[in-house]
Amino acid sequence: GQQLNQSPQSMFIQEGEDVSMNCTSSSIFNTWLWYKQDPGEGPVLLIALYKAGELTSNGRLTAQFGITRKDSFLNISASIPSDVGIYFCAGRSPGGSQGNLIFGKGTKLSVKP
Amino acid sequence: GAVVSQHPSWVICKSGTSVKIECRSLDFQATTMFWYRQFPKQSLMLMATSNEGSKATYEQGVEKDKFLINHASLTLSTLTVTSAHPEDSSFYICSASQWTSGSLNEQFFGPGTRLTVL
Repeated sequence: GQQLNQSPQSMFIQEGEDVSMNCTSSSIFNTWLWYKQDPGEGPVLLIALYKAGELTSNGRLTAQFGITRKDSFLNISASIPSDVGIYFCAGRSPGGSQGNLIFGKGTKLSVKP
Repeated sequence: GAVVSQHPSWVICKSGTSVKIECRSLDFQATTMFWYRQFPKQSLMLMATSNEGSKATYEQGVEKDKFLINHASLTLSTLTVTSAHPEDSSFYICSASQWTSGSLNEQFFGPGTRLTVL
């Protein structure tokens, strides 16, 4: 079946640094989503991408839908302590049902003040 | 954004008992609700999709007789774990979405329910 490779698995950075994480898939997607999950909570949608090449920002977060439709990245600029959490990418394939989101394994972000 | 709640937030039960988890959309009508489970340090795995007033569609490998899903109203779906065993211990998360202008909106997730079966 389809797989999503999300990297890096974890990051430990200094406050103020920029962060970059990405996801790649074995097949094309028509939707890429980025979520953040805090411990013991459900995921919160950060950014949704629907077109190849689309670049979207949400505050200090920027995400892009890769031209090949097989990858996406998320950047966080000037990280702050509250950025700590697990970031998941999720994708939906063409023809897939709305519920058929495939999730990456997550990137755990730790920020040192 | 839309708010989805879950109850209880955590539950501990004895092996062999049944546990019901509720998922509610608080400020919108959710035509479709989804149930996921998440093991520690793992990603979310879709268990089933439920549409209001109809039977749930289960993902391959998910036992429908063990994980009973009811979506009786546009704001409430329930997941009942029947005859729970320790291997059912997990974090169960629901999400909800609604149809708008002919398409299904993105899912909003609940805060999750931590189930521990002793």
